[in-house]
Amino acid sequence: RKEVEQDPGPFNVPEGATVAFNCTYSNSASQSFFWYRQDCRKEPKLLMSVYSSGNEDGRFTAQLNRASQYISLLIRDSKLSDSATYLCVVNYNFNKFYFGSGTKLNVKP
Amino acid sequence: SAVISQKPSRDICQRGTSLTIQCQVDSQVTMMFWYRQQPGQSLTLIATANQGSEATYESGFVIDKFPISRPNLTFSTLTVSNMSPEDSSIYLCSAKTGGTNSPLHFGNGTRLTVT
Repeated sequence: RKEVEQDPGPFNVPEGATVAFNCTYSNSASQSFFWYRQDCRKEPKLLMSVYSSGNEDGRFTAQLNRASQYISLLIRDSKLSDSATYLCVVNYNFNKFYFGSGTKLNVKP
Repeated sequence: SAVISQKPSRDICQRGTSLTIQCQVDSQVTMMFWYRQQPGQSLTLIATANQGSEATYESGFVIDKFPISRPNLTFSTLTVSNMSPEDSSIYLCSAKTGGTNSPLHFGNGTRLTVT
């Protein structure tokens, strides 16, 4: 079983739509959680950390459910520029980071 | 967050040769890592670059193939030795700049093609 699992997509949505991605992780001792964005042929960039109480950054909302071991990312009012691959990342034991395979989002005009 | 500079950004190499990738961070960092991302795949950790000691390699990666140096807290190199076409990939340097729950930050990557 993979450490982190994501639906690869692609999610094809119109501009202005709301879209949600989920990610599950296998290690209950995981300590910290992140969403990264990766544009084609570019390096991953941190989108947001995910906190137990849930957190929001503009149009982006992240949630963590430790009991069910999943993380979600909600994007409201999608923009064309949101088109990218979104990577779920889980960290435990300080220096062990596990990456999901990514969920591809295409926002259409 | 730290600024991570990686070079070269891309290279085309002949099989059997070696390439050394450099990674420079603009501040001292606790942890540096090297990842590989093959086309259409997610990131795979090659090794943790330890300052002043041998790198810690993940399963499937060995020092003879991927020697790593980390002479100080801001710089590391990864060498891809005796390259074959299967080594064609993006190689990414990353650093963890803060405490326990801090994220990774990445360099711009090195796109390697082996012919």
